[in-house]
Amino acid sequence: GQQVMQIPQYQHVQEGEDFTTYCNSSTTLSNIQWYKQRPGGHPVFLIQLVKSGEVKKQKRLTFQFGEAKKNSSLHITATQTTDVGTYFCAWPFSGTYKYIFGTGTRLKVLA
Amino acid sequence: DGGITQSPKYLFRKEGQNVTLSCEQNLNHDAMYWYRQDPGQGLRLIYYSQIVNDFQKGDIAEGYSVSREKKESFPLTVTSAQKNPTAFYLCATLGPSYLAHSYNEQFFGPGTRLTVL
Repeated sequence: GQQVMQIPQYQHVQEGEDFTTYCNSSTTLSNIQWYKQRPGGHPVFLIQLVKSGEVKKQKRLTFQFGEAKKNSSLHITATQTTDVGTYFCAWPFSGTYKYIFGTGTRLKVLA
Repeated sequence: DGGITQSPKYLFRKEGQNVTLSCEQNLNHDAMYWYRQDPGQGLRLIYYSQIVNDFQKGDIAEGYSVSREKKESFPLTVTSAQKNPTAFYLCATLGPSYLAHSYNEQFFGPGTRLTVL
C-alpha cells in the first residue's frame, strides 16, 4: 500500500526545545493536512494547507507548504509536555476520496 | 467521539473466527473510512465509502469486508483470511467542504483494539 515517509520517525527533545517534522511527496499535491495523535488516542485534525508557499500558524505551531507543493513541514517552538504524540501528514489521492497518510513522527518531550 | 462511535474499545477473538467492528456516526457525513494502525506505524487504508451502497478497496483490503447500507453505519468484518489481524482499527468520516476548491478534514472515532489469540 501507499505510504509516505515522514522525517524523522522519532524525536526526543527536552522541554523548551524546538521540533520539526517533514513530509515529502514525489508528486504535486492539491493540498496537505496535518493530524496529531496523542498516545492511546485517535488522530485529530490540526490544519490544511492549499496554496503554494503557504504558511499558517497556530500558537507555537507553524505549518509550511512548499513552493512546488511537494513537501510540507510542521515546526513547534518551545515544546511542552502537551505536545507529546505522533504527527501525521495526509493528502487526498489524485482527486479521489482516498487519503494517503504519512508514516508519522513520534515526538517525546522530556521535562 | 465527536459524533463517531466505535465499539467495543477492546476486542479479543480466537484465531480463525470472523469478527465485526462497529462504526456509527451522527455527523451526517457521506464518506466513511476504515484504517488499520500497527504499533509505531502510520495509518493504512482498508476500505472507504463515498456514499451509501458504495465502497472501494483501500491499500490493504485483503481479508476484510465492509457494507454501507445506511449513511450512519459502516461496519468492518475481519475475516479468518486476514493473516495478522491484531491491530488498532480506526473509523473516520470526511467532513463537508465549506468553501469552493477547499478540501475536507477527517474525523476519527476512538478506535477498536483487536487482539487475536
